[in-house]
Amino acid sequence: AQKITQTQPGMFVQEKEAVTLDCTYDTSDPSYGLFWYKQPSSGEMIFLIYQGSYDQQNATEGRYSLNFQKARKSANLVISASQLGDSAMYFCAMSPTGGGNKLTFGTGTQLKVEL
Amino acid sequence: SAVISQKPSRDICQRGTSLTIQCQVDSQVTMMFWYRQQPGQSLTLIATANQGSEATYESGFVIDKFPISRPNLTFSTLTVSNMSPEDSSIYLCSVGNRNPDTQYFGPGTRLTVL
Repeated sequence: AQKITQTQPGMFVQEKEAVTLDCTYDTSDPSYGLFWYKQPSSGEMIFLIYQGSYDQQNATEGRYSLNFQKARKSANLVISASQLGDSAMYFCAMSPTGGGNKLTFGTGTQLKVEL
Repeated sequence: SAVISQKPSRDICQRGTSLTIQCQVDSQVTMMFWYRQQPGQSLTLIATANQGSEATYESGFVIDKFPISRPNLTFSTLTVSNMSPEDSSIYLCSVGNRNPDTQYFGPGTRLTVL
């Protein structure tokens, strides 16, 4: 069984600053994928970034980067240069072998970007 | 990335009735998934919709309550049967891709049961 833990129910960050959203996971699968999604108040789930368990480098997508520490079983999301439009709920998720498989989600972190 | 649409986008239904939600993808995909998000909660997988075979349900979800169809590689439906107020949720379908590894969601269906 897979488990995702997000310990920050809410976070505040000032505009233009960087913010780290924490995610730890537990799994017995030898190969797995880690995902981050953004859910604005509209309810849609927006895919942000993916990290494979055997990827040598941390994933990056524009202002998003994933700080993957396999030994610590953590996959923190770093958002650089925060914008007001980044205010949303952020979910960490994992799947056994990558994008084609079912996802297990964490409880989410509500991020609020302030002026 | 796959373009996924869902119908209806929202609905208000009476207790005891059923609602069928449609999920359409603009390309052929092997696996489609149905998730539920109860108010203020995270997403929980209901079932995996496999083309050509019966859906695979997660613990706590049964076919009689959430029948699923998958007639082809671009379309799936989820029915919420004999609804109660506890079924009020957002229902989302998703599809997975490899190379690159991604999983995309439809816009969701907001269901309110009175």
